[in-house]
Amino acid sequence: EAEVAQSPRYKITEKSQAVAFWCDPISGHATLYWYRQILGQGPELLVQFQDESVVDDSQLPKDRFSAERLKGVDSTLKIQPAELGDSAMYLCASSPGRGLLYEQYFGPGTRLTVT
Amino acid sequence: GQQVMQIPQYQHVQEGEDFTTYCNSSTTLSNIQWYKQRPGGHPVFLIQLVKSGEVKKQKRLTFQFGEAKKNSSLHITATQTTDVGTYFCAGPKDGGSQGNLIFGKGTKLSVKP
Repeated sequence: EAEVAQSPRYKITEKSQAVAFWCDPISGHATLYWYRQILGQGPELLVQFQDESVVDDSQLPKDRFSAERLKGVDSTLKIQPAELGDSAMYLCASSPGRGLLYEQYFGPGTRLTVT
Repeated sequence: GQQVMQIPQYQHVQEGEDFTTYCNSSTTLSNIQWYKQRPGGHPVFLIQLVKSGEVKKQKRLTFQFGEAKKNSSLHITATQTTDVGTYFCAGPKDGGSQGNLIFGKGTKLSVKP
């Protein structure tokens, strides 16, 4: 069964450093999402792509976070500089389309710890 | 702003007991999805409800969508240790035109064998 791939699985970084996370969605899935999940909370959407275009980045802290999906396939989420409050699980998800009726397939996530 | 709320936050049951989690939205939803996240895992899609008053069953799991499409529930009959995890409901953000979701905070279920 096809899966969403993410790397790294774990990342420890010092505050003020730059970090990057990578996501490879299920083949053929046009829609890609990046979520942040704080322990004990539900996933919170950071950015949504449709192919290579950003559909929604209203919750992305743009002063330090950036995301790209240059060829409409895999995607990178970057934080620079990292802050202590960025410690969380970063989840990538993909779906076949953008409509209301599509389920989302999540990757295993990247656990970020900022020290 | 738009909110999706779930209760209870935690539920501890003895194996074999039933379990119910409730989801309430501040706005009317066109549809609602449920996900399960095992400890240390990632959310996995369980089901989607679309119609007012809809009831769907998956083995021991029963999902309901309220008549007003502002609430939903998940009921598990005779829980098993394999049911352990956090159950999230999620509704379309801002009317759902973009297909993105707002998740509740989840209900964490623990099952004592």
